[in-house]
Amino acid sequence: GENVEQHPSTLSVQEGDSAVIKCTYSDSASNYFPWYKQELGKGPQLIIDIRSNVGEKKDQRIAVTLNKTAKHFSLHITETQPEDSAVYFCAASWNSGGSNYKLTFGKGTLLTVNP
Amino acid sequence: NAGVTQTPKFRVLKTGQSMTLLCAQDMNHEYMYWYRQDPGMGLRLIHYSVGEGTTAKGEVPDGYNVSRLKKQNFLLGLESAAPSQTSVYFCASGQHTGELFFGEGSRLTVL
Repeated sequence: GENVEQHPSTLSVQEGDSAVIKCTYSDSASNYFPWYKQELGKGPQLIIDIRSNVGEKKDQRIAVTLNKTAKHFSLHITETQPEDSAVYFCAASWNSGGSNYKLTFGKGTLLTVNP
Repeated sequence: NAGVTQTPKFRVLKTGQSMTLLCAQDMNHEYMYWYRQDPGMGLRLIHYSVGEGTTAKGEVPDGYNVSRLKKQNFLLGLESAAPSQTSVYFCASGQHTGELFFGEGSRLTVL
């Protein structure tokens, strides 16, 4: 089955700096790569996703890049703010019967943004 | 629109006791999931369902059972709780696009 490795496990940055979290996946058939943000005491929430026919996607201060050849994808957060502090999970999924319904998650990265 | 609702939010059990966690979603989603989250282990899939009346095993199914009698509900049962099942449990629902909507979690402690 799919295996997703996520690094680093913890990341501390100063407010205003950029943060980068990296993930690798094992199954070349995977074609959907979402990122989830989990705030303390809450469930994870999707913040951005990318499909394998796209190399990069941006949404305001966050962006995701995908390198299919190397089988890795990354989350980039620019101009970090204290409210970006959370646990971030990457995930990978392959299309089965027209649906990307089964995700494999990385182990998560605890991001701390220091004021 | 409540989204995904889990009950109970907290529970303490003794070893050997049984319990059921209830998940309800009001988004008419086909797919529903139960994950457990442990420190340093990320989110691990216990069981999932691709539609009413169906269930399938995930990555860590041992010691758990599930049922999806109605499309909007997905129940997770522990027949004989063990300390290793102390965890935070998350229910999620989704459609074919892959985006999952998570509940707020149920914290279970087994003594």
